[in-house]
Amino acid sequence: KAGVTQTPRYLIKTRGQQVTLSCSPISGHRSVSWYQQTPGQGLQFLFEYFSETQRNKGNFPGRFSGRQFSNSRSEMNVSTLELGDSALYLCASSRQGGNTEAFFGQGTRLTVV
Amino acid sequence: GENVEQHPSTLSVQEGDSAVIKCTYSDSASNYFPWYKQELGKRPQLIIDIRSNVGEKKDQRIAVTLNKTAKHFSLHITETQPEDSAVYFCAASIGGSGGGADGLTFGKGTHLIIQP
Repeated sequence: KAGVTQTPRYLIKTRGQQVTLSCSPISGHRSVSWYQQTPGQGLQFLFEYFSETQRNKGNFPGRFSGRQFSNSRSEMNVSTLELGDSALYLCASSRQGGNTEAFFGQGTRLTVV
Repeated sequence: GENVEQHPSTLSVQEGDSAVIKCTYSDSASNYFPWYKQELGKRPQLIIDIRSNVGEKKDQRIAVTLNKTAKHFSLHITETQPEDSAVYFCAASIGGSGGGADGLTFGKGTHLIIQP
């Protein structure tokens, strides 16, 4: 069974630009969550999608958004990039979210210059 | 919202000894507590989890204990090996099998170093 796949693996963007990251969950998993990982703040929850609906949201500004498609693939978008958005962005898939096991992708390393 | 504290931030043990990492959580509604291992440059990997209706769970050299009254849970690794060296994260979440509330709230991580 294929694991969680994130593309691209690395990305360099300029301040003010926008970026879209992609996540393909494990087959059969309907929940996709996104996390930001930085050395200072650790792993922080961005949002969760389930059956194409955003079900939960963390404490991030509205510049961070996402969506989920009918095949459960999810995209995350960050607009008007800031230097502080440089981080590893991880997605995790699970069957139902909540207290079901979540499996992470390898992440997208975003660098904003 | 939920807050998870994790200690210690760094733990160095001799190969073959045991390692214990402790976490506390603030929201008594949290009912799911997974542990992840992250090696340098790799994705976090789920190594064990426990739900609030269970006090202890074991999987070979790894065990997790949960004290709901005190709102803390711990990871125990016995007979440590060099490949156990990594950063370990605890997490907590609220939710049933049909859906979550606030996603996973993570501790800041423990860098476990196994000395040969």
